[in-house]
Amino acid sequence: AQSVTQPDIHITVSEGASLELRCNYSYGATPYLFWYVQSPGQGLQLLLKYFSGDTLVQGIKGFEAEFKRSQSSFNLRKPSVHWSDAAEYFCAVGTDTGTASKLTFGTGTRLQVTL
Amino acid sequence: DTGVSQDPRHKITKRGQNVTFRCDPISEHNRLYWYRQTLGQGPEFLTYFQNEAQLEKSRLLSDRFSAERPKGSFSTLEIQRTEQGDSAMYLCASSPPGQRNTIYFGEGSWLTVV
Repeated sequence: AQSVTQPDIHITVSEGASLELRCNYSYGATPYLFWYVQSPGQGLQLLLKYFSGDTLVQGIKGFEAEFKRSQSSFNLRKPSVHWSDAAEYFCAVGTDTGTASKLTFGTGTRLQVTL
Repeated sequence: DTGVSQDPRHKITKRGQNVTFRCDPISEHNRLYWYRQTLGQGPEFLTYFQNEAQLEKSRLLSDRFSAERPKGSFSTLEIQRTEQGDSAMYLCASSPPGQRNTIYFGEGSWLTVV
């Protein structure tokens, strides 16, 4: 069965510093990988997704992620964090059932940004 | 485009009562999903519809839970005889034809069972 591990429960960075959030997945086939962001009490917003092709994908809000098959990783990065980036970040792997995709999420990483 | 809309956003109910949540997907999206998220956890898949057909249900969806999408547009999720363990955020999501791996979430419906 597929699974996602986000090893960092909580990360604190200073505004303007770079950010990397780790994600490792377990899935037998070619994975569909996603990063979502969730502000407190809110739903999930899609940051970026990887299906195939270029292993470095660009997303919204200046985020990017790199798929590394050999490491089963899909880490999220941002070169300069803004205070508004403080939120919970979820990595997910999509299982294609043939008619739809079910997402399996990690437990999330809470990002705190200090000024 | 308006996003996925959920109602109510917050519900407090007494144990044993029934509750119903409504989800309006993005227009023209034929797939609709329900997920549940408890505090400190990521969302967990509950069920999904393609048009009006419910194609898969998770084992998390006990017989107290029922979901419908009668006309292939909005969906309802009903929880009967609520228990404290049902307290969670219930997230609805949808995806468009031809892009089943691009899933847009609503803002969720918080349920607190007291």
